[in-house]
Formats: sequence, structure tokens, C-alpha cells
Amino acid sequence: AQSVTQLGSHVSVSEGALVLLRCNYSSSVPPYLFWYVQYPNQGLQLLLKYTSAATLVKGINGFEAEFKKSETSFHLTKPSAHMSDAAEYFCAVNILTGGGNKLTFGTGTQLKVEL
Amino acid sequence: DAGVIQSPRHEVTEMGQEVTLRCKLISGHNSLFWYRQTMMRGLELLIYFNNNVPIDDSGMPEDRFSAKMPNASFSTLKIQPSEPRDSAVYFCASSSGQGNSPLHFGNGTRLTVT
Repeated sequence: AQSVTQLGSHVSVSEGALVLLRCNYSSSVPPYLFWYVQYPNQGLQLLLKYTSAATLVKGINGFEAEFKKSETSFHLTKPSAHMSDAAEYFCAVNILTGGGNKLTFGTGTQLKVEL
Repeated sequence: DAGVIQSPRHEVTEMGQEVTLRCKLISGHNSLFWYRQTMMRGLELLIYFNNNVPIDDSGMPEDRFSAKMPNASFSTLKIQPSEPRDSAVYFCASSSGQGNSPLHFGNGTRLTVT
């Protein structure tokens, strides 16, 4: 079965510091992987997705993620945190079924950005 | 495109009452997902449809919950009778149904059952 594990339910960084949010996946086949962001009182928004075209994926708002098969990881990074990055971040893996695709989400990481 | 539209944004009801949540898909999308989000359980997939057909409803908590797609662009999630433990934010999401297609989420309905 395919799944994702997010390490750390809460991460706190200083403004301007590197952001690193961890995600490890489990899949018996090459996965499609996604990162989503959720701001308060809003739905989830797509940050970026990995679809095997390139291992380093760039997303919106300066975020990027690198697919590492050897480590079964898809960690999300941003070189310099901004106050507006404070939100909850979800990693997700696509499970292909006979009837279509189904995303399974990790438990989320709440990012706090401090002055 | 207006995106996925959910209504109402907020619903407060008394235990035992029927609750109906509504969702309009993005035009051209053929997969529809209902999720529930709570602090305790995180984001849970309740049910999803492909081409108006329910594919997996294993996440539906119990028979009090039902979901329908009367047409290709609209879905409802009904809870009857509602209970306080149903209080959560319910999200609807749609996609084009292909393997690398992301989900597009609505802004959710915050349900409070007193």
C-alpha cells in the first residue's frame, strides 16, 4: 500500500532561515507525489507535484522539493522563510486504482515563522 | 474558472437534524472527493467518485452519512441524523482523474453540531 509519513507535526523557524519539511513515502511502484499548503480557514492549495519528469521540482512561493528514490523521500524546502509562509503543509501520494486516482495525505506539519 | 465551490461555508445545527453539504466541481473535472478534517484525526477521505460513480466509500463513518452526484458537476454530502462528533470541516475536491492530476479543493464547510 502507498502512504506518506511527515516527520514533525510542528516546525518553527526564524524569518529568513531555511525551511525544511520532511516527507517519506512508501510505494511499490513509482509514485506521484504532491505538497499542499493550507492557510487558516481555507482549503488546501497545490504547492508542487512530482510526476517523474524531473527529480527537483519547483513550486509556487519559492518552495521546491527533491524526489530521492534511494531515501524514499520528498522533502520540501525554501531557502528563506517569510512570515507569510506560516501555514500547515501536507505531503500526499497518489494511489492509482482501477476507478481513478486517490490522494492519501500525511498528517501535516504546522510551520511557524518567528521574527 | 471559479474553482470548486462549496456551500454553506458555515453550518450550525442541533443534534438529530439533517445536514446537507453541497459542492460544485470545476468544469471538465470528472473525479470528486469528500474529505473531513478535524484536529484529532487530521484529513480523512470519506468517499470519492469517478465519472459520477462512487469508487470507494470505505471512509464514510457510518450509515448516517451518504453522498451523491446527481450530475457531472454537482455533489451533496448528507448527514442524517447529525451528532456532535460530526463537527468538523468538510472539504470537497475535484480533479481531472489522471494519475498526475492534483486535487483542487474548495474552501470547506465548517459544521458544528450542538
